[in-house]
Amino acid sequence: GAVVSQHPSRVICKSGTSVKIECRSLDFQATTMFWYRQFPKKSLMLMATSNEGSKATYEQGVEKDKFLINHASLTLSTLTVTSAHPEDSSFYICSARDRERPWEQYFGPGTRLTVT
Amino acid sequence: ELKVEQNPLFLSMQEGKNYTIYCNYSTTSDRLYWYRQDPGKSLESLFVLLSNGAVKQEGRLMASLDTKARLSTLHITAAVHDLSATYFCAVDERDYGQNFVFGPGTRLSVLP
Repeated sequence: GAVVSQHPSRVICKSGTSVKIECRSLDFQATTMFWYRQFPKKSLMLMATSNEGSKATYEQGVEKDKFLINHASLTLSTLTVTSAHPEDSSFYICSARDRERPWEQYFGPGTRLTVT
Repeated sequence: ELKVEQNPLFLSMQEGKNYTIYCNYSTTSDRLYWYRQDPGKSLESLFVLLSNGAVKQEGRLMASLDTKARLSTLHITAAVHDLSATYFCAVDERDYGQNFVFGPGTRLSVLP
């Protein structure tokens, strides 16, 4: 149990285009989902916290107009990188908190974004 | 601002040896997590420590938490090559996951 999926696993896009990444909790309801970004050989940086049915809370320094987050249901959150630039290339990982086990976070497999 | 530090950042050890990775954090918290990450992969949860004095063991890994010292340790016993990976600790400061801060990671390489 407690599986989180992400789609796509890899995406290459051109500068100026937008890319949407989906995060789904497959077998539990996730009241809260989190989006992280990881640069090569670096740690994870929390970008934003999204609660179902409400606006995401962004961490300091994260542009909310560039990284659009939508948490439309208890099992789905999406991250849209708008007007992507090469410096947006990174590994994006989502996680979800199970309402039945709130102390746990379950991590998705990650999405590698390359902007050319 | 919550800061999480790990020591060492890089660790190269021989198979069969023991070693400890340290995780220090700057605020009071009794929720500490250890994860493993293989190259190109996401995180694998190793341990969830939810109280002072908590100790958990799985195979050759054992984790402990001292909330008074704001310190967690990940002890490796008789290392094997399969343990080569990057290990992260993370601290959950507010509520559950409202401020989940990761340490910089410890890159472990176990040599035959």
